[in-house]
Amino acid sequence: EPEVTQTPSHQVTQMGQEVILRCVPISNHLYFYWYRQILGQKVEFLVSFYNNEISEKSEIFDDQFSVERPDGSNFTLKIRSTKLEDSAMYFCASSPVSGGDYNEQFFGPGTRLTVL
Amino acid sequence: AQSVAQPEDQVNVAEGNPLTVKCTYSVSGNPYLFWYVQYPNRGLQFLLKYITGDNLVKGSYGFEAEFNKSQTSFHLKKPSALVSDSALYFCAVRDVNDYKLSFGAGTTVTVRA
Repeated sequence: EPEVTQTPSHQVTQMGQEVILRCVPISNHLYFYWYRQILGQKVEFLVSFYNNEISEKSEIFDDQFSVERPDGSNFTLKIRSTKLEDSAMYFCASSPVSGGDYNEQFFGPGTRLTVL
Repeated sequence: AQSVAQPEDQVNVAEGNPLTVKCTYSVSGNPYLFWYVQYPNRGLQFLLKYITGDNLVKGSYGFEAEFNKSQTSFHLKKPSALVSDSALYFCAVRDVNDYKLSFGAGTTVTVRA
């Protein structure tokens, strides 16, 4: 069964450093998403991406964040200058277009980001 | 704005007993509703969804959920729980005009042998 993969599983970084979180969505999916979950809190939407551009973003997704699909398989989330409050589990998700616009999103296992 | 409430942080049941995990939602338009399950060190796994039609939807691993528009609820149910059902369960909602999911806080289900 195809699945979304994410690397690394755990990233530790110093405050102010740049990090790139990587995701490989399911191959025939065309919508991509990033969510995050701060420890003990809800899973929160960050950004959605379709047709090589951001389709929607939350208030959390400020200028420190960016997303990119550098090739036909990877989908990345970059945090330019990490803050302590960016420590969270980051989930990538993807969904197909065929079958309507109400398809479920398939989630990866997450990357735990720890900012020291 | 859309939101989800899962009023119970934890649900404990004995194996073989019925399991119910509660969820209520709020959206401005018609809702698309989803249940996901998370096992330790794993991602969110899709269980089932309600889009339209029959209010009772069936999903993976014997789970089902009932959509109740008047009560704005979408409770997850399983007639006979298994120890392996012990996990963290998330309810999520999407407005028809939107793509982002809004999640509840999650309910930890523990099924004792």
